[in-house]
Amino acid sequence: GDSVTQMEGPVTLSEEAFLTINCTYTATGYPSLFWYVQYPGEGLQLLLKATKADDKGSNKGFEATYRKETTSFHLEKGSVQVSDSAVYFCALTRDDKIIFGKGTRLHILP
Amino acid sequence: DAGITQSPRYKITETGRQVTLMCHQTWSHSYMFWYRQDLGHGLRLIYYSAAADITDKGEVPDGYVVSRSKTENFPLTLESATRSQTSVYFCASTRGRGSYEQYFGPGTRLTVT
Repeated sequence: GDSVTQMEGPVTLSEEAFLTINCTYTATGYPSLFWYVQYPGEGLQLLLKATKADDKGSNKGFEATYRKETTSFHLEKGSVQVSDSAVYFCALTRDDKIIFGKGTRLHILP
Repeated sequence: DAGITQSPRYKITETGRQVTLMCHQTWSHSYMFWYRQDLGHGLRLIYYSAAADITDKGEVPDGYVVSRSKTENFPLTLESATRSQTSVYFCASTRGRGSYEQYFGPGTRLTVT
């Protein structure tokens, strides 16, 4: 069945470091791909999405490119801030539902 | 207020008791979902609904019951709570299938003693 695999955390970086969180997927057809973020004590919220191959989603300095040839959707940010500390979920759509990865916790040190 | 709300935010109950978690959204979204979030498992889908009076099982439906008599409400009932159902429960809604964003509620932290 369809699935999403993302790197296990926690990931700890210093402020202004470059961030990459890897995400690969297994799916038939052409799913839409998402990154959601969960700040402490809150529900998930959409960070960015891409709906077809080679699309780049971007928001708040984060970017991810839909790579069908490598079945990947890696999340990147050039310079992280303490306020980016959160849990990040990669996800894909399948019919009526979204399938989530297990999440990657990110800690940013000042 | 507009949005998606859940109640209660925190609940402690005993094994064997029935518990109902409430979810309400004000956007008239067609689809609503219930997830549980546990360490090491991420989010797992319990049940979802494509419209009023239409519900379907997700990945982990055992021990849970849902109903959807009105578009805006999607309550989740634990008929006889067990300790393994201790978790954080999230409700979400979305306008439709495919690439539409899911909007999440703030969650209910449930502890079963």
